[in-house]
Amino acid sequence: NAGVTQTPKFRVLKTGQSMTLLCAQDMNHEYMYWYRQDPGMGLRLIHYSVGEGTTAKGEVPDGYNVSRLKKQNFLLGLESAAPSQTSVYFCASRPLPSNTGELFFGEGSRLTVL
Amino acid sequence: RKEVEQDPGPFNVPEGATVAFNCTYSNSASQSFFWYRQDCRKEPKLLMSVYSSGNEDGRFTAQLNRASQYISLLIRDSKLSDSATYLCVVSLPTSGTYKYIFGTGTRLKVLA
Repeated sequence: NAGVTQTPKFRVLKTGQSMTLLCAQDMNHEYMYWYRQDPGMGLRLIHYSVGEGTTAKGEVPDGYNVSRLKKQNFLLGLESAAPSQTSVYFCASRPLPSNTGELFFGEGSRLTVL
Repeated sequence: RKEVEQDPGPFNVPEGATVAFNCTYSNSASQSFFWYRQDCRKEPKLLMSVYSSGNEDGRFTAQLNRASQYISLLIRDSKLSDSATYLCVVSLPTSGTYKYIFGTGTRLKVLA
């Protein structure tokens, strides 16, 4: 079972470059999320989506854009990368519009911006 | 004040010990509560949900005190394989859905 798959898993960027992280889930989940994890900060929500064609801002959305053109995919874009965006990025999905739903995470994408 | 607060640890305990982690949350509107486990450089995985009546899963017991806005996790008979970071998570209603707020985690090292 693939579950939640993130690509790429590692990337090094120079300041000002752009890139897109892809999250794909094969569980037919409605909700998808992008988090970043930094030392001492815990996971912080960047953007989320409650269904195909919808996106919403989370706690730390600045510098990121997202799209959910297909239900199974949630893309996170960095238009002009900054060193402050060096982090580990996790995508997660959730099966139901229920507050008891478990979050299923991808393996993470480690991004370094020089 | 952070929305979800945990003691970062590390907690260093010998095999077989009992260890307890605490977590406090600030928003009384929080609806659901979870403990996730995260191994080094890996993704978080659900350990257990936390219910008001308290719940147990093998060696793990979780408790919730809504009045004090406090969650706990007790691990009995610790194993080397329990070494990980334990994340306290609460869900909050927002804009027709729920957002999940993560604590920074408590690191556990079980020593042989």
